[in-house]
Amino acid sequence: AQSVSQHNHHVILSEAASLELGCNYSYGGTVNLFWYVQYPGQHLQLLLKYFSGDPLVKGIKGFEAEFIKSKFSFNLRKPSVQWSDTAEYFCAVNARWGGATNKLIFGTGTLLAVQP
Amino acid sequence: DAGVTQSPTHLIKTRGQQVTLRCSPKSGHDTVSWYQQALGQGPQFIFQYYEEEERQRGNFPDRFSGHQFPNYSSELNVNALLLGDSALYLCASSRKGGSYEQYFGPGTRLTVT
Repeated sequence: AQSVSQHNHHVILSEAASLELGCNYSYGGTVNLFWYVQYPGQHLQLLLKYFSGDPLVKGIKGFEAEFIKSKFSFNLRKPSVQWSDTAEYFCAVNARWGGATNKLIFGTGTLLAVQP
Repeated sequence: DAGVTQSPTHLIKTRGQQVTLRCSPKSGHDTVSWYQQALGQGPQFIFQYYEEEERQRGNFPDRFSGHQFPNYSSELNVNALLLGDSALYLCASSRKGGSYEQYFGPGTRLTVT
């Protein structure tokens, strides 16, 4: 069965610190990969996505993620976090097969708290 | 351009009752997916509707059913509610049968007492 693992459940950083959130998935086929963010009191928003091509993808608000196929990983990074980055971050995988409609499989989320 | 909208925002029901949640997709989207997000967990896929048919289903019992209308809006119905059904129910819309990224609504918070 497909699954997504986010190893960091709760991360606390000071402003200007660098961020890396881990995401690993289990699926042997072709995948689309996503990071979603949920700011306090708001709905899930797409942060960035990988479908194909350059494995280093850039998203909104200075976030980037690198797809490493051999490690089944899609880690999220940001060089310098801000207090406004305080949110819950979800990694998700969409397994591509046969052109059929596909579901998103989410990790359990990482709660990031940035201290000013 | 309106995003994904859901109604109601909050709902309180009693065990054994039935509930209907509604979703209107983002303009230009034809596919609607439903997810259940329990407290402290990531969203879990319930099912997806495209062209008014259920196309894919997650590991949820038959008490969970849905419908998609010709205008692409959708309903999620849950019968015989259990305490464990208490969760945030998210609707997501996308284009062309789900091949593109999904846009999420604000969710409906269901509490079963």
